[in-house]
Amino acid sequence: EAGVAQSPRYKIIEKRQSVAFWCNPISGHATLYWYQQILGQGPKLLIQFQNNGVVDDSQLPKDRFSAERLKGVDSTLKIQPAKLEDSAVYLCASSFWGSPKETQYFGPGTRLLVL
Amino acid sequence: AQSVTQLDSQVPVFEEAPVELRCNYSSSVSVYLFWYVQYPNQGLQLLLKYLSVSTLVKGINGFEAEFNKSQTSFHLRKPSVHISDTAEYFCAVSDDSGGYQKVTFGTGTKLQVIP
Repeated sequence: EAGVAQSPRYKIIEKRQSVAFWCNPISGHATLYWYQQILGQGPKLLIQFQNNGVVDDSQLPKDRFSAERLKGVDSTLKIQPAKLEDSAVYLCASSFWGSPKETQYFGPGTRLLVL
Repeated sequence: AQSVTQLDSQVPVFEEAPVELRCNYSSSVSVYLFWYVQYPNQGLQLLLKYLSVSTLVKGINGFEAEFNKSQTSFHLRKPSVHISDTAEYFCAVSDDSGGYQKVTFGTGTKLQVIP
């Protein structure tokens, strides 16, 4: 079974530029999560999708971050414009249905450096 | 609101020695607890999880954790560590309050196994 795929693996941009990350979850998984992991901290949830609907985006900085999951499968997270403090690893995860007991399966992450 | 505290940011231990990584949680409702491991430049993967069945939970790679409700703890243990256990370990909590999975991660503990 293929795992969660993410691309690119690494990205370096200048501040005020835009960047997009792509995630393809495990086949059949209805729930998809985007996390931000700043160096030395645990993952922080940015947005959670159930199929193509948003379940939780309370911690997404909506003035600069956006995410979509149009067909309920793969997803894109965008930052526009980027700030220095956006330097982090962006992790995508998926789970079968999103119930509280479920295991989340993580991709390898995209490491973003904003200069 | 739920939260997780990992008291130790780094734990050095000699190879073949036992190790305990500490985790305390807070939640107003029944909880589910998880330990995830993150190897360098990789995403997180599940070690084990507590689902309100048995207080002693066994996971992969010889790890186990014990749920202690009175002390609100879920410490991770291994009787004899290997070099390959060098990684960062995250404790996480989820509960039934929202009807969907909302996981809060701790800040992580870096386990350094010394040969």
